Amino acid sequence: DAGITQSPRHKVTETGTPVTLRCHQTENHRYMYWYRQDPGHGLRLIHYSYGVKDTDKGEVSDGYSVSRSKTEDFLLTLESATSSQTSVYFCAITDGSGANVLTFGAGSRLTVL
Amino acid sequence: AQSVTQLGSHVSVSEGALVLLRCNYSSSVPPYLFWYVQYPNQGLQLLLKYTSAATLVKGINGFEAEFKKSETSFHLTKPSAHMSDAAEYFCAVSEAGTALIFGKGTTLSVSS
Repeated sequence: DAGITQSPRHKVTETGTPVTLRCHQTENHRYMYWYRQDPGHGLRLIHYSYGVKDTDKGEVSDGYSVSRSKTEDFLLTLESATSSQTSVYFCAITDGSGANVLTFGAGSRLTVL
Repeated sequence: AQSVTQLGSHVSVSEGALVLLRCNYSSSVPPYLFWYVQYPNQGLQLLLKYTSAATLVKGINGFEAEFKKSETSFHLTKPSAHMSDAAEYFCAVSEAGTALIFGKGTTLSVSS
């Protein structure tokens, strides 16, 4: 498997609490992405990063922030979790060359009560 | 803006039957196109990709897809379904330097 790990893999939290999901890669890839997966919606892009400290918003970025202080780590933070953010979150990486093929992590299942 | 439409959220076939999963895309420039597969409780795995070389693309597990520019389609096929093909399949599109945009997915069920 490509060197991409997500933590935690499962988390249950309460509305209003902050949550941080971590994506760690050992591939030294420049690009990292956070998607959320919901039934009937497929995967939707939340935020992405094209380098250290370089990030941009995706189509469903409201309520989320990200940080990338080093190449290998991309953090997704929910400042105040809501029930609508219950989802499975996937991190993906690519070196950005050619067709921009993404390699995905195993996912983090977040439940907000 | 790019977009992907997968026709049919659920497809059911018998083992040994043809699998056909439909995908239409919208893109203002020549696109890159992808099919990913997701088995239960797992991440997404690349099945195949189109990168403007051959229009008929072969992937893993006997799947293939054909890029048809005139129809803006990239349908996924497999001549003979196997029980292990039961999964969710996602079509995705990107343009050079952009993030992948995914369709809503098609769940494939295979019955014996």
